[in-house]
Amino acid sequence: AQSVTQPDIHITVSEGASLELRCNYSYGATPYLFWYVQSPGQGLQLLLKYFSGDTLVQGIKGFEAEFKRSQSSFNLRKPSVHWSDAAEYFCAVGLSGNTPLVFGKGTRLSVIA
Amino acid sequence: IAGITQAPTSQILAAGRRMTLRCTQDMRHNAMYWYRQDLGLGLRLIHYSNTAGTTGKGEVPDGYSVSRANTDDFPLTLASAVPSQTSVYFCASSDSPGGSGHTNEQFFGPGTRLTVL
Repeated sequence: AQSVTQPDIHITVSEGASLELRCNYSYGATPYLFWYVQSPGQGLQLLLKYFSGDTLVQGIKGFEAEFKRSQSSFNLRKPSVHWSDAAEYFCAVGLSGNTPLVFGKGTRLSVIA
Repeated sequence: IAGITQAPTSQILAAGRRMTLRCTQDMRHNAMYWYRQDLGLGLRLIHYSNTAGTTGKGEVPDGYSVSRANTDDFPLTLASAVPSQTSVYFCASSDSPGGSGHTNEQFFGPGTRLTVL
């Protein structure tokens, strides 16, 4: 069965510093890949997605992610973090067809001044 | 366009009571999903529906039931609530599974916070 691993439960970065959140998946074929963000008390919002083509994907709020097939990874990056980026981030994997997404357990991002 | 609405926003419920969480979407998405979110466990799929009239079990279906009488509504029922069902519940939808352009991208509602005492 497919699975998604987000190795970091909680990350703290300084405002203005760069950020990388890790995501690894386990599946034989290339799945659809997603990053969602959840602000406190809110639902999930899509940051970006990868289906095919260019392995570097741009998303909203200045985020990007790179798909690396050899590493089965889809890490999320941002060059300069803002205090408003403090939230929970979820990586998700989907297959074609009728299968629901499988989510990682999330990484909580704290931003300090 | 409202997207996905969920009701109630929050609820405190006595154990043993029956409760239905409502979910409505106006995007004409065929697929709908129910997740529960618990600290340290992320989002876990409870039930899903690929199209009106069909439902399927997710990772944690026990104690929950769903129905999909039409495209827009996907209620989740707890027949006899237990404290372990205290959680935040999210409803989501996605465009037509298997159709051209299907991407599995899911859109989420704002959630229902349920406390079972």
